[in-house]
Amino acid sequence: GESVGLHLPTLSVQEGDNSIINCAYSNSASDYFIWYKQESGKGPQFIIDIRSNMDKRQGQRVTVLLNKTVKHLSLQIAATQPGDSAVYFCAENGSGGGKLIFGQGTELSVKP
Amino acid sequence: DTEVTQTPKHLVMGMTNKKSLKCEQHMGHRAMYWYKQKAKKPPELMFVYSYEKLSINESVPSRFSPECPNSSLLNLHLHALQPEDSALYLCASSQETGTVSLSGNTIYFGEGSWLTVV
Repeated sequence: GESVGLHLPTLSVQEGDNSIINCAYSNSASDYFIWYKQESGKGPQFIIDIRSNMDKRQGQRVTVLLNKTVKHLSLQIAATQPGDSAVYFCAENGSGGGKLIFGQGTELSVKP
Repeated sequence: DTEVTQTPKHLVMGMTNKKSLKCEQHMGHRAMYWYKQKAKKPPELMFVYSYEKLSINESVPSRFSPECPNSSLLNLHLHALQPEDSALYLCASSQETGTVSLSGNTIYFGEGSWLTVV
């Protein structure tokens, strides 16, 4: 798999490899974080979320890691498939009230 | 598949037209949102409705007018738009706007309405 630096807009991986997408958040008061997947021409699709009292949460083929010390969030996708090709956005709830603050997004391309 | 339904999927309108975007959800959610997304950019919040009342307006120009007729419906009325308003308009909903939890207060998005202003 590949590890990407912060704010890298694109990530290309080989089918079957693991993918790691990173995100830095800005608001220390944020207590809830979400990863969304957005395929071309579609709306953002919920993947996984995590609260600030957790460091790690696992879903089906996906894991989210939260490092509050450095305000860093990552999404790990195991055994990446062509259907995983999309733009991935992290989002934080910031000051609350339902207001989500989105990161700039990372475009994941999976090579067969 | 998303349970937030948006219509129309595509809309082309002139700068003097009046049109509306519609959004519907039947998940019993009491918070609904409008976001705007330009190409290759993240979604940006426009409006938040909580229990059918407008709770957040992110300084959106008055040519965009939201309306929440009931807890399941959210409209965005468009009038005298500019070409730079062309974008994907996303509707979303959640159980409520309060403190979220892992038990389901996630914000779910519809597929969006592609708006082109000519």
